[in-house]
This record gives sequence, structure tokens and C-alpha cells, in this order.
Amino acid sequence: KNEVEQSPQNLTAQEGEFITINCSYSVGISALHWLQQHPGGGIVSLFMLSSGKKKHGRLIATINIQEKHSSLHITASHPRDSAVYICAVRTNYGGSQGNLIFGKGTKLSVKP
Amino acid sequence: KAGVTQTPRYLIKTRGQQVTLSCSPISGHRSVSWYQQTPGQGLQFLFEYFSETQRNKGNFPGRFSGRQFSNSRSEMNVSTLELGDSALYLCASSFDRAGIRETQYFGPGTRLLVL
Repeated sequence: KNEVEQSPQNLTAQEGEFITINCSYSVGISALHWLQQHPGGGIVSLFMLSSGKKKHGRLIATINIQEKHSSLHITASHPRDSAVYICAVRTNYGGSQGNLIFGKGTKLSVKP
Repeated sequence: KAGVTQTPRYLIKTRGQQVTLSCSPISGHRSVSWYQQTPGQGLQFLFEYFSETQRNKGNFPGRFSGRQFSNSRSEMNVSTLELGDSALYLCASSFDRAGIRETQYFGPGTRLLVL
């Protein structure tokens, strides 16, 4: 079982829909990151969370440390939101303290 | 401010050769991390440098090595290339303060093809 699991793997939405991408992890963490990767490879860091909730424009990220779960929400989705969204956790244990472990990503396609 | 730059952007090598990739972080950033991305394994952490010291290392064989210079520029080296080393290699920098890790900014990556 992967230490970081994302769901769904693929998501197709109509423009304007509210979108939720989920991330569950099984390791101890010091922070959780949400990344966006567009076709062509460029990666942008969207959020870094250690507790609670953060909002940036139409994007909202939440984390529940007790349940080891995070969600990324996109309100009023737009075709330009089409990308792969990747969850990553920074571990806080053992010899690998501070390493980043990545989920497999959620491929989002927003249709006009 | 210029972003993170990586050179070269594309590279073709043959098995057994070695390769050196370069990363120039955003001015003022002292932390540089390297990642490998493949279709099968996704993104995987290689190593992280802070002020010329390796702070963390991922689970990769010793053929993968890196270093950071006093100007924060970083290089990674892969010796004795294998077909499975074909990947997109990404570098990211951040302005970490006194042990507090901050947002990472990614470079465009170097796409390595091993034949």
C-alpha cells in the first residue's frame, strides 16, 4: 500500500463545477503539499499545510491531522484548471525525517 | 526575480555513461531539492541540500549523487546510466529560515533519455 493515496485518479468536470480531490496518508508528517503540474511538466506549489485550512483564489486546501486526510477544492472550475494535482507529505520520522513522499496524482480535465 | 533554471533541458545518453545536471535556484534561496519523475513511479525525492550540506536523501542507489556550491547552485550526477534512469529530473528551491521549510519553487526540469 502506498504511503500517500490520492483519489480519484482521473476526474472530468464541466466548467463551473465544484471539484474535490482527496489525499490520505499513513505516515507521520510535518507538512502536506499540494502541487499542480500542467502538460509539459511545469510544477507549481499551490499550498503547504500543517493544520487547518488555506485559501488562494478559487482554491481551498484543508487538512485533518487526526484522520490523516487532506482535500483540495476548486470552486467554479475553469478549463485552465486542467492539470495533474499532486499531494505530497513531508515526513517527520526516523532516518528519512524531512523527506517528501508523493501521491500518484489526480488528472483533472475541465470541459467548457 | 528569475525563476529556478535547469540545464540542460533535454539530454540523450547511452547506457553506462554518466551525466551531470545543473540547477540554479532563485536568488537568495539556500535550499535545493532534486526529484525524479517517471510515468511508472511518479515523483520521487532524490536529495535535498541546504547551505552546501545534504540535509536529506531519498531511497536511490549510490549512482545518484549531488552537491551544492557556495552560491547555492546545485548539481546532480548519475553514473553508469541504466535505461530505467530515463526520466524528468526536477529541481526546486526554497528560502528556508532557521530550519523552517517554506514553499518550493520548481524548475522546468531536465528530460533525460537513456538509450
